Amino acid sequence: DAKTTQPTSMDCAEGRAANLPCNHSTISGNEYVYWYRQIHSQGPQYIIHGLKNNETNEMASLIITEDRKSSTLILPHATLRDTAVYYCIGNQAGTALIFGKGTTLSVSS
Amino acid sequence: GAVVSQHPSWVICKSGTSVKIECRSLDFQATTMFWYRQFPKQSLMLMATSNEGSKATYEQGVEKDKFLINHASLTLSTLTVTSAHPEDSSFYICSARVASVADTQYFGPGTRLTVL
Repeated sequence: DAKTTQPTSMDCAEGRAANLPCNHSTISGNEYVYWYRQIHSQGPQYIIHGLKNNETNEMASLIITEDRKSSTLILPHATLRDTAVYYCIGNQAGTALIFGKGTTLSVSS
Repeated sequence: GAVVSQHPSWVICKSGTSVKIECRSLDFQATTMFWYRQFPKQSLMLMATSNEGSKATYEQGVEKDKFLINHASLTLSTLTVTSAHPEDSSFYICSARVASVADTQYFGPGTRLTVL
């Protein structure tokens, strides 16, 4: 599994875009980038994943650099309910996800 | 997205007793499920991989005789904590893999175990 590096914490104002970076310089060609978030005392929630191309769904956008060494998760209009720990994981499809410490995102009004 | 449930959501038991936690995939079949535990202010730690119809694969340091895993059907995996002790108190979370190109995993809501 690719080692990922994320900032420990980030702050964001409600209504603004939250851009969460992730470095995964050792990611291999068949490893996906997955993003999950965990709100206190709940199970992780799947957000989005990508391999090479940028991806967008109803929750977020994922921008992956051309060399695949880093990516950015974008929450376009952050709300208070987006306050959570966000995990970026580089993983081969089908294998167990290994969680790092993630980024604690605090959204304030 | 796919839905995974866990039961119970919380349990309190006496030291020495056994506790069973169920993990169900509600709207898909899961040949593989995973079990994690999370201590306060820490990240999720993988305990074992559960494959339908076969023995679970445990991570290093996880006692297979203490944490019994059964995956008897494509929608149900169970984790039994045998002879529970206070140090087993934790948040136990399962995930199930949806068979697809990326094999996305979906997580249950977790089970809070407190051993007195």
